[in-house]
Amino acid sequence: AQRVTQPEKLLSVFKGAPVELKCNYSYSGSPELFWYVQYSRQRLQLLLRHISRESIKGFTADLNKGETSFHLKKPFAQEEDSAMYYCAHEHNAGNMLTFGGGTRLMVKP
Amino acid sequence: EAGVTQFPSHSVIEKGQTVTLRCDPISGHDNLYWYRRVMGKEIKFLLHFVKESKQDESGMPNNRFLAERTGGTYSTLKVQPAELEDSGVYFCASSQVLGNGNTIYFGEGSWLTVV
Repeated sequence: AQRVTQPEKLLSVFKGAPVELKCNYSYSGSPELFWYVQYSRQRLQLLLRHISRESIKGFTADLNKGETSFHLKKPFAQEEDSAMYYCAHEHNAGNMLTFGGGTRLMVKP
Repeated sequence: EAGVTQFPSHSVIEKGQTVTLRCDPISGHDNLYWYRRVMGKEIKFLLHFVKESKQDESGMPNNRFLAERTGGTYSTLKVQPAELEDSGVYFCASSQVLGNGNTIYFGEGSWLTVV
């Protein structure tokens, strides 16, 4: 079945440490992949999309078709990065999103 | 500009009762989506409206769920009769266009607890 997998439910790091949130997908072809973030008491919001190849809040994500991965990385984690992070695949150019299970990132002082 | 708004934010109902969730998309957004996350599971797509038409309702779990978007503005999602396994958070989202430049904006969610 086509799916998005985030193997870690919880990731805890210290402030200033590098962080990598893993995401693997099982779709063929050229997938449309995104990272969404939900901070405490806030709504789910788009963090970045692979097609833009952008860096948002110091986060980057590179699509690796060979490994079918789209891991989210930040070299130096900040306490305000603590949140739930969801990797998602978009079907049919703007239609349905398929989400991974989410990873809770906790950045300790 | 107001974001996607959902009502109620929290609802506790008994098994067998009916609940209606409402979503007001961002003004001008033709695309409206419903998603839900039940306990311990992933956020799952339910359906997609384009204006008042159902574009894709492949994620609707069963016929106890009815979504409407009369007039192409706000949408309602009714669960009748509610079952215990319907407990979770129901997200609404909207977007202006489809395609690679599309950004989907989410509401804060409606938390449903069926007891």
